[in-house]
Amino acid sequence: GAGVSQSPSNKVTEKGKDVELRCDPISGHTALYWYRQSLGQGLEFLIYFQGNSAPDKSGLPSDRFSAERTGGSVSTLTIQRTQQEDSAVYLCASSLVEAGPYEQYFGPGTRLTVT
Amino acid sequence: AQKVTQAQTEISVVEKEDVTLDCVYETRDTTYYLFWYKQPPSGELVFLIRRNSFDEQNEISGRYSWNFQKSTSSFNFTITASQVVDSAVYFCALSEPPDYQTGANNLFFGTGTRLTVIP
Repeated sequence: GAGVSQSPSNKVTEKGKDVELRCDPISGHTALYWYRQSLGQGLEFLIYFQGNSAPDKSGLPSDRFSAERTGGSVSTLTIQRTQQEDSAVYLCASSLVEAGPYEQYFGPGTRLTVT
Repeated sequence: AQKVTQAQTEISVVEKEDVTLDCVYETRDTTYYLFWYKQPPSGELVFLIRRNSFDEQNEISGRYSWNFQKSTSSFNFTITASQVVDSAVYFCALSEPPDYQTGANNLFFGTGTRLTVIP
């Protein structure tokens, strides 16, 4: 079946502009995660969705970052007034959450470059 | 606090050599889960294995094997007879039990080890 998809694959934007990153999780996966991978760093947790609600937003680095999920499926991560330090690969993952820590399945990521 | 350390930033081996990638973790939980992911040049993280803290049995899957030792808080990954297709960045990750309220079980990642297999 189809895996997690993300769009766009690459995004170059000017400092100060807003960007939207999209994630389509695996069908039936109720849990959705956003991570950020900066150059030379591991993956940094940003936000977690269970269905359409986001009970854990603890990883969002500033109030310029927000995310939503509609219909328990597609999620959008929005970064307002982008800064150069926002440049990174943004990865989305989905998993089943009925019981236990099921492995997360990752999308290919969106590479964001802020100039 | 949770922490995953992958001290090896980059490793290069010649094809057919064996290679071990180290992973050391810290957690205060008695129940936790450890993972290895592979990130090839295409960028998509590929799940390799998940281990539970209460199961220290080592695991072998083809050319891959994992050595889990709670006494040293390590979960090392060995590739036997490496191949060029093994070239990738490998991440070790730790997860605590799902939050009983939110169901979240975030993964805490190490910084990764870049493995280059030279033909």
